[in-house]
Amino acid sequence: SAVISQKPSRDICQRGTSLTIQCQVDSQVTMMFWYRQQPGQSLTLIATANQGSEATYESGFVIDKFPISRPNLTFSTLTVSNMSPEDSSIYLCSVGAGEMGVSGANVLTFGAGSRLTVL
Amino acid sequence: GDSVTQMEGPVTLSEEAFLTINCTYTATGYPSLFWYVQYPGEGLQLLLKATKADDKGSNKGFEATYRKETTSFHLEKGSVQVSDSAVYFCALSDRGFQKLVFGTGTRLLVSP
Repeated sequence: SAVISQKPSRDICQRGTSLTIQCQVDSQVTMMFWYRQQPGQSLTLIATANQGSEATYESGFVIDKFPISRPNLTFSTLTVSNMSPEDSSIYLCSVGAGEMGVSGANVLTFGAGSRLTVL
Repeated sequence: GDSVTQMEGPVTLSEEAFLTINCTYTATGYPSLFWYVQYPGEGLQLLLKATKADDKGSNKGFEATYRKETTSFHLEKGSVQVSDSAVYFCALSDRGFQKLVFGTGTRLLVSP
């Protein structure tokens, strides 16, 4: 399965600032996913990022708050904008397993996550 | 919408004890079901999966059976080890889609 590197692994941020999280995959993948794991809660999908098109956001998440870039098939970034303490979470990048273009794989590989604390 | 309900933790066991972590789901279609594990300081890893009713997923001594009649996918292991201490997430996905709906996770603590 793919190997995912995320950075930063953790950061402490000030209210009102923005932070960009990077996700690098060691193989080409069609779809990349960004999840959020708030303290003591489950993972929630933020958006799906396809190369060459706008990201698709889930209900409750908007592009102005979480802009995403997907410049190529191995890399994506998620920016958390104008942060507040409520944004303190672990943000995880994930990709589908299997060969690029094969649908229905239904198995995701996750990065180790980026733990953000907003003061 | 689709949802997953897991038993709350932490679950505290002694080494070699039997483990059950309950998971039930609600879905409109026929989802695939998964258990993911998150070891301290690491990312989520797929532990096992089942794609249709009565399928049994198994890995590293863990098992779970897809029970359509009870909409359940309980995780079991006959004899836990200290190294099994982690957070376990039950999840589902509709067929043909790669995005997952997760339960809240159950922390397992195994003591020697």
